[in-house]
Order: sequence, then C-alpha cells, then structure tokens
Amino acid sequence: GAVVSQHPSWVICKSGTSVKIECRSLDFQATTMFWYRQFPKQSLMLMATSNEGSKATYEQGVEKDKFLINHASLTLSTLTVTSAHPEDSSFYICSARGPSSQETQYFGPGTRLLVL
Amino acid sequence: GQNIDQPTEMTATEGAIVQINCTYQTSGFNGLFWYQQHAGEAPTFLSYNVLDGLEEKGRFSSFLSRSKGYSYLLLKELQMKDSASYLCAVMDSNYQLIWGAGTKLIIKP
Repeated sequence: GAVVSQHPSWVICKSGTSVKIECRSLDFQATTMFWYRQFPKQSLMLMATSNEGSKATYEQGVEKDKFLINHASLTLSTLTVTSAHPEDSSFYICSARGPSSQETQYFGPGTRLLVL
Repeated sequence: GQNIDQPTEMTATEGAIVQINCTYQTSGFNGLFWYQQHAGEAPTFLSYNVLDGLEEKGRFSSFLSRSKGYSYLLLKELQMKDSASYLCAVMDSNYQLIWGAGTKLIIKP
C-alpha cells in the first residue's frame, strides 16, 4: 500500500509556542490530505481537509487561525498549532488520498503533542 | 443524520474466529472501509467494499450488504497481535468518510 510519513513523531513544548507537523506522501501524489485529532480512548475527529493548492476546509468547531494548514505540493501538507496550550495535547494524525475521491485514505503514523 | 454503529468492545480467544459488525445510515454510499488501529498508533487500511458480497484477504474477510446497511469484518485464526481497535468508515455521497467509534478487540490466550 501507499506510504505516508509524519514528522515529528513526538513533540513536547511549552505553552504559548507554535508547533509544525509535516505530513508527506512518499510514493503517490496526494491530491487531498486530511488532518485528524484523537484523544485517548476516543474516536478519530476530523479537523480539516486540504486540497493541493487550495485553502483547507475546517470542520465545525475547529479554529482555522489556531490550526494552520498548508498543502503547497502534491506530497506535503503541514499543520501548525499556533500558541499551543495544554488542552491541545493530543495525537494528531494525517491521511492522504490520491486524485480520485473513491480512493483509499492512507494514514501517517501520527504525532503525539504534549504541551506543558 | 449520519450514523455508524459498531460494538464498543469484544473479547475472543487466540486461534478462534470473531466477527465484528457495523451498521450504517448515511447520506449516500460510495463504499465502506475497515481499518485496524493498535493502541497508540495510527489506523492502517484493511479492506474496502463497494459491492455486495464477501472480500477475502488472508485471515481477514469483509462482507457488505448495501440493502441492509450492514457490514462485518471476520478475523480467523486469531493471534495475540490482532488485539486492536477496528474502525468501520463509510464514504458518503460527498466522498467524505464517516467514522464509527471503533470496536476494541481483546484476544485472550
């Protein structure tokens, strides 16, 4: 199957700092990328959907000014958590999909963020 | 509204067979996915069904009945490493994935 990488795997930061997470599709062109957040023992929650070259579409309740998403190329999307606070501590997972909407979403390994 | 239902937790014995059910009500249907998620890790793709019937892939099989809004994931010859959460997701008419809450499968020796 297709490979999606995420970097970094772990981030520990102080409250008020910004954190950037990268998501890369390694062997296919990811027309669409998705960003999820998952709290312990809870379901995946879709935060936003980004299409290459376009602005991201955010789910209701997700602050677009706090979670900045950039999808500048067909293989890279970034999520920046601005002015992170302890309540932003979570498991952030990206997934990527090829040009057809019916294609499978392949997930990156996830990034664990801990804000102190 | 859109809804995906699957059991919260199931327990099975190593070497046995287990069936995880998923029922759905969505606005449109463009396929159903099963993903496996081990604790602390991201989901990994298991199967995709868009036509009625059974798809077999090694020890795992997935079944779909569109008329009944129903799918199941069948795991045979269970191994301890199969202990994980199994997520059912349906792609709706807008090609958005609607996720179930997941079924935590516990395998006992």
